[in-house]
Amino acid sequence: NAGVTQTPKFQVLKTGQSMTLQCAQDMNHNSMYWYRQDPGMGLRLIYYSASEGTTDKGEVPNGYNVSRLNKREFSLRLESAAPSQTSVYFCASSEGTVNTEAFFGQGTRLTVV
Amino acid sequence: SQKIEQNSEALNIQEGKTATLTCNYTNYSPAYLQWYRQDPGRGPVFLLLIRENEKEKRKERLKVTFDTTLKQSLFHITASQPADSATYLCALEKGGGNKLTFGTGTQLKVEL
Repeated sequence: NAGVTQTPKFQVLKTGQSMTLQCAQDMNHNSMYWYRQDPGMGLRLIYYSASEGTTDKGEVPNGYNVSRLNKREFSLRLESAAPSQTSVYFCASSEGTVNTEAFFGQGTRLTVV
Repeated sequence: SQKIEQNSEALNIQEGKTATLTCNYTNYSPAYLQWYRQDPGRGPVFLLLIRENEKEKRKERLKVTFDTTLKQSLFHITASQPADSATYLCALEKGGGNKLTFGTGTQLKVEL
């Protein structure tokens, strides 16, 4: 039982390049989330998906797009990377949308130069 | 806007003592509050959830209190061990959908 799996673990991009961060969960959870974590800022929600087929913006969605490919997978795309997007990205999932714990992946450390 | 404050300074305590971490929040009344542990280079791991109508919750050596009047949660680790050394994050649910707003975390170091 792997839980939440993110790929890649590390990535270096040049400004303007695009990439997709992949996330998959094997717990049959309905809801999935993308957060970024920056020093001194805490985790901030980028996008979330309450259920398969739905996505919505979080606190810091600018510069990102998401796709809920199916119940298991939720990807995050950077169309034109900027240095301000240098961060650690975490995917999370939860069984429901109320009173429920979130399970996090191990993170993707992204550097944009 | 909603603000969550946790002690930014590291908390150093001796093994066997009780560690107490504080989470204060403003401009919001969350339905529940969660505590997570994060080790370096790893994702957060859920520890406890406490609802607005619960004053206290326990799990093994962990205890969480939730005072909605003071807008404060306290997180206690009793009989602390070096293995408890980590960063502890407070998170509030905001706007439904289990969307969490996190504090910046408090680093705990338990020394022998």
